[in-house]
Amino acid sequence: AQKITQTQPGMFVQEKEAVTLDCTYDTSDPSYGLFWYKQPSSGEMIFLIYQGSYDQQNATEGRYSLNFQKARKSANLVISASQLGDSAMYFCAMRGPDSNYQLIWGAGTKLIIKP
Amino acid sequence: KAGVTQTPRYLIKTRGQQVTLSCSPISGHRSVSWYQQTPGQGLQFLFEYFSETQRNKGNFPGRFSGRQFSNSRSEMNVSTLELGDSALYLCASSTSGTGGAYTEAFFGQGTRLTVV
Repeated sequence: AQKITQTQPGMFVQEKEAVTLDCTYDTSDPSYGLFWYKQPSSGEMIFLIYQGSYDQQNATEGRYSLNFQKARKSANLVISASQLGDSAMYFCAMRGPDSNYQLIWGAGTKLIIKP
Repeated sequence: KAGVTQTPRYLIKTRGQQVTLSCSPISGHRSVSWYQQTPGQGLQFLFEYFSETQRNKGNFPGRFSGRQFSNSRSEMNVSTLELGDSALYLCASSTSGTGGAYTEAFFGQGTRLTVV
């Protein structure tokens, strides 16, 4: 069965610093997708970035990049130059044949950016 | 392009009542999935509809049901509400569920249900 582990329940980061949010996963599928979502206190789940298991390059979307280490089954999110508006819950998720393509979620990391 | 719209945003219901939540996906998206989010259990998959057919179902009791209409809008119904049903219910739309390991899912703002 697929599983996502986020080991950091909470993080405090100084504004303008870079931050890395950890995510490890477990799956026996050769083909799968990895996703990061941001959930502000309003509740909406905002899609940030995705990485396919066969992608050779690490995904990047603006200030977000995904450090994909397939052999270690790791998909860490890196936010460069953090902003106060980045304060939110961050969830790592994956999907593939093993989950009938439904999203399997980690427990999330609460990120707080300090001014 | 309009995003995913969920209505209502907030609901307060009494134990034993039933409730219906609505989700309008992004135009052109045929897959709608529902998730329940609670502090204790995190995010859990409820079910997925694609082209008016339930394609996948999570491990929830039969009190939780749903349907999808021809315009891809989906409704979720919970009957005989229990206190433990209090949660944020999130709807996600995507172009494809099955076969779509690489397909992003876009979420609405959720419906926050409180059962008293």
